[in-house]
Amino acid sequence: LAKTTQPISMDSYEGQEVNITCSHNNIATNDYITWYQQFPSQGPRFIIQGYKTKVTNEVASLFIPADRKSSTLSLPRVSLSDTAVYYCLVGNEANNNDMRFGAGTRLTVKP
Amino acid sequence: DAGITQSPRYKITETGRQVTLMCHQTWSHSYMFWYRQDLGHGLRLIYYSAAADITDKGEVPDGYVVSRSKTENFPLTLESATRSQTSVYFCASSESAGGLSYEQYFGPGTRLTVT
Repeated sequence: LAKTTQPISMDSYEGQEVNITCSHNNIATNDYITWYQQFPSQGPRFIIQGYKTKVTNEVASLFIPADRKSSTLSLPRVSLSDTAVYYCLVGNEANNNDMRFGAGTRLTVKP
Repeated sequence: DAGITQSPRYKITETGRQVTLMCHQTWSHSYMFWYRQDLGHGLRLIYYSAAADITDKGEVPDGYVVSRSKTENFPLTLESATRSQTSVYFCASSESAGGLSYEQYFGPGTRLTVT
């Protein structure tokens, strides 16, 4: 399973765009990139998933360069309620027994 | 109630006792997972199941036992609890094909303390 590296923490202010980058240098050809959000005392919640180029949904965008060795989760105009831990996962259905969330990135949004 | 539920939400037990954490999902998802999360760490996979009667080990399976006789239930048993198993346990389910290609839905968690 591809190892992922994310910043431990990030700070932002309300209304700003936040970009969190995840490095996954040894990503495999059939691996997907998935991001989850976790609030305190809750289970993680799926945000977005992609394979290449750009994916956008109602809450975020995911940018994946051509070499797929990194990905960037973009949160537009964050609010205080976006304060959470964000996890990047890389893998596919053949890796279920090696699924690792890592420590994630703790995003703090300030007023 | 629709969704994925865990019980109990909080549990305190003594070292050496057997404890079973329950997980129930109403979507008929094929895949189910058990994770543990320790303070300051991400989630670590304990066991997962691809379907009823099919289970497999994750990253940290030692000291745990799972079963899946019905699609909707995936109980996790600590046969002889140890203090190192004090943690928050999350159950998750996924529609098909595996957790990394499809969205996982997580339960609210069970906070277990072993004294």
